[in-house]
Amino acid sequence: DAMVIQNPRYQVTQFGKPVTLSCSQTLNHNVMYWYQQKSSQAPKLLFHYYDKDFNNEADTPDNFQSRRPNTSFCFLDIRSPGLGDAAMYLCATSRDREKVYTFGSGTRLTVV
Amino acid sequence: AQSVAQPEDQVNVAEGNPLTVKCTYSVSGNPYLFWYVQYPNRGLQFLLKYITGDNLVKGSYGFEAEFNKSQTSFHLKKPSALVSDSALYFCAVRTSLYSGAGSYQLTFGKGTKLSVIP
Repeated sequence: DAMVIQNPRYQVTQFGKPVTLSCSQTLNHNVMYWYQQKSSQAPKLLFHYYDKDFNNEADTPDNFQSRRPNTSFCFLDIRSPGLGDAAMYLCATSRDREKVYTFGSGTRLTVV
Repeated sequence: AQSVAQPEDQVNVAEGNPLTVKCTYSVSGNPYLFWYVQYPNRGLQFLLKYITGDNLVKGSYGFEAEFNKSQTSFHLKKPSALVSDSALYFCAVRTSLYSGAGSYQLTFGKGTKLSVIP
């Protein structure tokens, strides 16, 4: 089945140690999103790729970066994770003008 | 700004009873509305959406939602709750992104925790 896959499911990293989360999709959707969801809160958009174009939300910290080497893959890099970055990170995809948004299972990040 | 509101942090219902999870929206123009469910430590699973057409939308797992334009509401309902329905439910609205024509994101409500009591 076509889907959005996030790896790993759980990630533990040390304070200040760079970490990368990955997302892949088999849907051939041109838009990919990264959302951050802190405990018991709504998911919040960090940034998105519209095709190859990267778009940052205004309040996304500089500590967060993203890469999209091809249509299928997207990475979230956290350069120096702080305790406040512990959260569930959700990847999602959509296609232009289609009213379908598909989410991965998420990566739960713990910072120690 | 386009948004949705979920007025209840938590809803408790007995197994077998009907359930309702409330959502109201604030949107200019025609709203595209969605419901997602999230189980602990999992991603978001799509339940149903309203784009146009019939105000009563049927979705996955026996859930349905009623779009009410006059009350600006999109409440999620199920006739008979199951213990396995216990989860976090999010209402969302499609909102425009600045990146390009036809580019959108989902903006979520804060979520409602549903507990179905055996």
